[in-house]
Amino acid sequence: EAGVVQSPRYKIIEKKQPVAFWCNPISGHNTLYWYLQNLGQGPELLIRYENEEAVDDSQLPKDRFSAERLKGVDSTLKIQPAELGDSAVYLCASSLGGTLNTGELFFGEGSRLTVL
Amino acid sequence: GQNIDQPTEMTATEGAIVQINCTYQTSGFNGLFWYQQHAGEAPTFLSYNVLDGLEEKGRFSSFLSRSKGYSYLLLKELQMKDSASYLCAVSNQAGTALIFGKGTTLSVSS
Repeated sequence: EAGVVQSPRYKIIEKKQPVAFWCNPISGHNTLYWYLQNLGQGPELLIRYENEEAVDDSQLPKDRFSAERLKGVDSTLKIQPAELGDSAVYLCASSLGGTLNTGELFFGEGSRLTVL
Repeated sequence: GQNIDQPTEMTATEGAIVQINCTYQTSGFNGLFWYQQHAGEAPTFLSYNVLDGLEEKGRFSSFLSRSKGYSYLLLKELQMKDSASYLCAVSNQAGTALIFGKGTTLSVSS
């Protein structure tokens, strides 16, 4: 079974440029998450989707960040314009159901962004 | 809100036993998770505790005390490949997302 797939794995851009990350969750997983992980830190939730609906985007900096999951399967996270402080790893994760009482999050390998 | 504390770094030698502690303060509790993350790789699930006590899974065990807001991950018979970051996480109040600690970087030497 394929895991969570993310692309690109690495991206280097100059500040003020736009960037987009793509995620394809595990087949059948209705819930999709985008997390941000800074060096030496744990992942921090940016947004959570239930199917195509963003049910928790309270931590997403909406002035420059946007996300979509139009058909309730794959998702795109966009930053426009990027700032130096956005350099981090952007992790996508999926889970089978909306609650994590027994289930777990399955993570992709992440997209490492470097903003120069 | 949620607050999760775990040591930043730990070192140990091959074959030894190491215990990584995690304390948490939450407004609601729906379970505690441990994840392993090798450098440059995705976090992978290790264990889940929702009731007090010890859960054993091979060389790894996880303990939870809800009254004390405390958990630990116990790694036995350490191997070099166990060198990684170990992330403690608790479910948010609704049980719909995980809140992670900063992680403990474990270095295993020969």
